[in-house]
Amino acid sequence: GAGVSQSPSNKVTEKGKDVELRCDPISGHTALYWYRQSLGQGLEFLIYFQGNSAPDKSGLPSDRFSAERTGGSVSTLTIQRTQQEDSAVYLCASSFDRGIENTIYFGEGSWLTVV
Amino acid sequence: GENVEQHPSTLSVQEGDSAVIKCTYSDSASNYFPWYKQELGKGPQLIIDIRSNVGEKKDQRIAVTLNKTAKHFSLHITETQPEDSAVYFCAASRFFGNEKLTFGTGTRLTIIP
Repeated sequence: GAGVSQSPSNKVTEKGKDVELRCDPISGHTALYWYRQSLGQGLEFLIYFQGNSAPDKSGLPSDRFSAERTGGSVSTLTIQRTQQEDSAVYLCASSFDRGIENTIYFGEGSWLTVV
Repeated sequence: GENVEQHPSTLSVQEGDSAVIKCTYSDSASNYFPWYKQELGKGPQLIIDIRSNVGEKKDQRIAVTLNKTAKHFSLHITETQPEDSAVYFCAASRFFGNEKLTFGTGTRLTIIP
């Protein structure tokens, strides 16, 4: 597609359940990022994938959060045993490899509500 | 790590007037500073960015200035229009968009018709 695609766009889940959020980056982009945005707040970095390098997981808030990127393209963010404080918009972004034209583009986000 | 502070958190300006949003950063190695606009229910969209080898960049009604010595950068919107109403985020990173961005806390800009 033309932009970063995320699914589902909205997800309501019960506390304690696991959820998976999917991100399909812009074709050819080697870098992929996950951010979290709580209601009315800024963007909190979660994890960053760059090519075949080990991901930067320094922003993951707990071991209930994990992400993988298969084949250097699609990424899945998994939240296990969801808690109410996990309710937020989860934003995925992608960019080209290092160079001049590697602007970071965001998707529309996955709105997660834990009830 | 990098820390980005953004002010003000809310800003209301009369249509046609100018709006200025300011950010400071802590990591002197940061060299890429983008600004994103986020409309309600949508993801952030890049509106302008600046790299550390220039002090100012302009794109129609939008301009960004960078003072590396003072470690601050600003977004200037002139001749504001109702469609400029949104939340604006500044960000900083060490490489040209290829390392994680550290974001400011956002400015909710309201244009009063």
